[in-house]
Order: sequence, then C-alpha cells, then structure tokens
Amino acid sequence: QLQLQESGPGLVKPSETLSLTCTVSGGSISSTSTSSTNFYWGWIRQPPGKGLEWIGSLYYSGSFYYNPSLQSRVTISVDTSTNQFSLNLNSVTAADTAVYYCSRHVGSSRGPIDYWGQGTLVTVSS
Amino acid sequence: DIVMTQSPDSLAVSLGERATINCKSSQSVLYSSNNKNYLAWYQQKPGQAPNLLIYWASTRESGVPDRFSGSGSGTDFTLTISSLQAEDVAVYYCQQYYSTPPTFGGGTKVEIK
Repeated sequence: QLQLQESGPGLVKPSETLSLTCTVSGGSISSTSTSSTNFYWGWIRQPPGKGLEWIGSLYYSGSFYYNPSLQSRVTISVDTSTNQFSLNLNSVTAADTAVYYCSRHVGSSRGPIDYWGQGTLVTVSS
Repeated sequence: DIVMTQSPDSLAVSLGERATINCKSSQSVLYSSNNKNYLAWYQQKPGQAPNLLIYWASTRESGVPDRFSGSGSGTDFTLTISSLQAEDVAVYYCQQYYSTPPTFGGGTKVEIK
C-alpha cells in the first residue's frame, strides 16, 4: 500500500524558508501504473479552517509545475534514489501558516489526487 | 485561474436521506477532444487528509460506496449522497484539473440533522 509522509519543522520564523520533505513508501516515485498512467507528485496546503490550495507538482524525470501565485517563492525538488521529494517556500509570512500535504496526482501535474500524506502543520511565527 | 464555487456552504440531512452538493466552475472544464469533464470530488473528515471520491465528474474511485455519485457537465456539477450515513459527516470539495493551477471549491460541510 502506497504511503506518503511529510517531515520538517513545525515552526518557521517570518521571512525564513519553509522546508518539507515527503517520503514515499510502498511504491516508487518513478513508477507508472499497469495501464501506463503517469503519476505526478505534489504539495497542497490548507490554512487552518480554510480550503485547499495547490502549491505545485513534479514528474520524477525532472519536470516541475508551480502555482503562479507562489511561483516566485517555491522550489520543488526530487531525489529518486531515496524516493523523496521536497518543498522549499521562502520569505514566509503568517499567511503561509497551514497544514501542508504531499500528494500523488494521477495522469497529469494537476490531475486528481489519489494518495495524500497525513499532513503536517507549519506555523509561521516569531 | 478557474474559480470553483460550491453551494451550499453547509447542509444538515437526516440519516438515510439524500444530500446534494453543487459545484460551479467559472469556465467550462469539459475538454471537447475527449468529451471528458476534468472535475473531481473529495471528502475530508475532521483531522484527516482529503479522500478522492469521484473523478471525470462521475467515475467513482475504487472502494467508494455506490451511494456517492457525481453528475454534471461543462460548468455545473453535483455530488449526491443517496442515503446519508453517519460516517459521511465531512467537508466535501470539488476540484477542477482542466487547467493550471488546479483549483478547489470552498467546501461544503455535511452534518446530520
């Protein structure tokens, strides 16, 4: 059974960089389905009590896709040797306080999400 | 960005009764070349990550009970729970994946009356 697990600091100071890693187990980041469906790996966040926002996603071979609203501050990277991918969000403010989920998208960088991590709350505060 | 608008914000339904949630997109999410609507529905229970229920507007994800169904095309979509169960108490979100960035509706909270 595929599992995704986020890790990283739960508290980040304003103006600093938020860094999270997602570890994928029970399957490979570089695999496709039996029907040759491609999978993309991404990040989504949810401010407390609010809705969902797509941050960005990647294909294991090195293609990256970002939400234009965050693109200037976001970098997503992948390490297929460790089956992990990461999120860096710089110059954070209180508005970046949210539960951050790593995710698997089906079929495209923006496709439906069939696997989610449990989520990790990141609070931006001094 | 495509704006997804859900209604109502919340609804209370008696056990065994039907629950209907609406989702409207600011532009069509129907791709004419394959006649597919790029629309998904998720269920999020308190303290949990969302769970995929429906994709392509009406295709149920594996393992999702058949009391959940999706319908609609173009810009107007509906998620129906045909007979509400206690375990269906949750917030439901629609998501378009027609264009980047994928965007979500604001959510509809379903409670027991």
